[in-house]
Amino acid sequence: AQSVTQLGSHVSVSEGALVLLRCNYSSSVPPYLFWYVQYPNQGLQLLLKYTTGATLVKGINGFEAEFKKSETSFHLTKPSAHMSDAAEYFCAVTPNTDKLIFGTGTRLQVFP
Amino acid sequence: DADVTQTPRNRITKTGKRIMLECSQTKGHDRMYWYRQDPGLGLRLIYYSFDVKDINKGEISDGYSVSRQAQAKFSLSLESAIPNQTALYFCATSDPGTSVTGELFFGEGSRLTVL
Repeated sequence: AQSVTQLGSHVSVSEGALVLLRCNYSSSVPPYLFWYVQYPNQGLQLLLKYTTGATLVKGINGFEAEFKKSETSFHLTKPSAHMSDAAEYFCAVTPNTDKLIFGTGTRLQVFP
Repeated sequence: DADVTQTPRNRITKTGKRIMLECSQTKGHDRMYWYRQDPGLGLRLIYYSFDVKDINKGEISDGYSVSRQAQAKFSLSLESAIPNQTALYFCATSDPGTSVTGELFFGEGSRLTVL
């Protein structure tokens, strides 16, 4: 069965510091992978996605993620955190287009 | 106006009451989904529908039912609400015709509290 594991339910960084949110997936077939962001009192919005081709994927707001098949990982990074990045981030996988399977989420706090 | 609209946005009810959460979309997507979000558990799929005549159970469908009244409308019902159904509920849509990856578009959520 397909699944994703997000390591760390809470991550805290200082403004300007590197953001690294970890996601590992399990899939028996080449997956499509996603990162979604949820700002307070809002729904989820797509941050970026990996389909095929280039393994480094760039998303909105300066975020990017790298698909590493050998490590079954799809970690999300941003070189310099901003206060507005404080939110909850969800990694998701789908082996086909039927439905997405979400991780448990990582709450990012950014301190001044 | 939002492409995916959920009503009500907040609801407090009592154990045993029947509750309906409604979702409507203007995106023209065939596929609609209901997810439940709980702290520390992420989002879990309750039901999904690929068209008006197609309804599928997700991983946590017990205690819930759905109705797909039209392409644009997908309702979630709790026939007899219980406290552990207190959660944030999300409706989402997708359109494999325009996005082969199945990415989802979410509403803003309906927060349900069952006392």
